[in-house]
Amino acid sequence: EAGVAQSPRYKIIEKRQSVAFWCNPISGHATLYWYQQILGQGPKLLIQFQNNGVVDDSQLPKDRFSAERLKGVDSTLKIQPAKLEDSAVYLCASSLAAATNEKLFFGSGTQLSVL
Amino acid sequence: DAKTTQPNSMESNEEEPVHLPCNHSTISGTDYIHWYRQLPSQGPEYVIHGLTSNVNNRMASLAIAEDRKSSTLILHRATLRDAAVYYCILRDRLDYGGSQGNLIFGKGTKLSVKP
Repeated sequence: EAGVAQSPRYKIIEKRQSVAFWCNPISGHATLYWYQQILGQGPKLLIQFQNNGVVDDSQLPKDRFSAERLKGVDSTLKIQPAKLEDSAVYLCASSLAAATNEKLFFGSGTQLSVL
Repeated sequence: DAKTTQPNSMESNEEEPVHLPCNHSTISGTDYIHWYRQLPSQGPEYVIHGLTSNVNNRMASLAIAEDRKSSTLILHRATLRDAAVYYCILRDRLDYGGSQGNLIFGKGTKLSVKP
């Protein structure tokens, strides 16, 4: 079974530039999550989708971050403009459903460096 | 979500058992105990979860205290590939709010395995 695919693996940009990350979840998984992991900390949820609808985006800095999941499959996360403090690993995860007993499957993440 | 407390780091010798503790004194009767681990440069991966009874799978065992205020993840024979950060997370199985399914990570326990 193919896992969660993310690209690019690494990205280096200058502050105030824009960047986009792509995620392809496991086939058939209705729920998709984007997490931000700053060095030395645990992952922090940014946004959760159920199919193509947003379930929770309370932690998403909406002035600069946006995410979409068209057709309820692939998803993109965008930062515009980027700040130095956005340097982190951005992880995408998916699960079969949103039930609290479901396992989450994570991709390897995109490591973003903002200079 | 209720909080968990884990040691920052632990060391183990290869091929010896490892017991990773987690305290969750404010756990509610409907909270599941989940464990995930994160190997270097990878996204977190599911290890095991339980509610009241001890649980075993091919990766590990989960021992839950009778009062459920603490639990222990047991790796029966540590290998070098088990070196990772281990996260203990509580999820309320009756969480019908908008944040169903998402995981709230702490800092976890960094496990080092010596040859």
